[in-house]
Amino acid sequence: DQQVKQNSPSLSVQEGRISILNCDYTNSMFDYFLWYKKYPAEGPTFLISISSIKDKNEDGRFTVFLNKSAKHLSLHIVPSQPGDSAVYFCAASVEGAGTASKLTFGTGTRLQVTL
Amino acid sequence: NAGVTQTPKFRILKIGQSMTLQCTQDMNHNYMYWYRQDPGMGLKLIYYSVGAGITDKGEVPNGYNVSRSTTEDFPLRLELAAPSQTSVYFCASSSGQGHQPQHFGDGTRLSIL
Repeated sequence: DQQVKQNSPSLSVQEGRISILNCDYTNSMFDYFLWYKKYPAEGPTFLISISSIKDKNEDGRFTVFLNKSAKHLSLHIVPSQPGDSAVYFCAASVEGAGTASKLTFGTGTRLQVTL
Repeated sequence: NAGVTQTPKFRILKIGQSMTLQCTQDMNHNYMYWYRQDPGMGLKLIYYSVGAGITDKGEVPNGYNVSRSTTEDFPLRLELAAPSQTSVYFCASSSGQGHQPQHFGDGTRLSIL
């Protein structure tokens, strides 16, 4: 049972345009969401996160939106740059004081930013 | 500024062999994790540790063992390797303080033939 779903395996966007990556989840207990970026032959690197008490978090060119009622979050990259070409993973966790954050990952979306 | 270091980067094993994947971090993080990523799939948690001497199972622990004798090191042991364990293995660590993200190593690509 895939609790975190990224239904678009790939996305191609022109440089300078907006990239929108989507993620859906089924577990209503998730209360913290993260986006990771992964280049080939490297480990995932943290990009941006959002707590379930918020509906938007922004960091430079990256903004994450959370719609709890729809169990949906999205990552917006504006403007997109060629260096943004990578695989993006959505992840979710149930936070608890003093416990480990056990992340549940989606299957990833490969973003290609073209010139 | 090493972060999380995993060795080896690549390994080919024969069915039934055993090996240990090494993971060390220099950030003094209490929490460490092992994930595996199969082709076209997301990462799945194998085992995690909240501190030296404390480990617990994740989503897919069968066929693996871990130990945590120091804060820095969190080795993953494969006993009796099987083709289903062919995967890319990632180790991660976090401080565990509030919503601190996990930092990942570059992975070990393991093939079992």
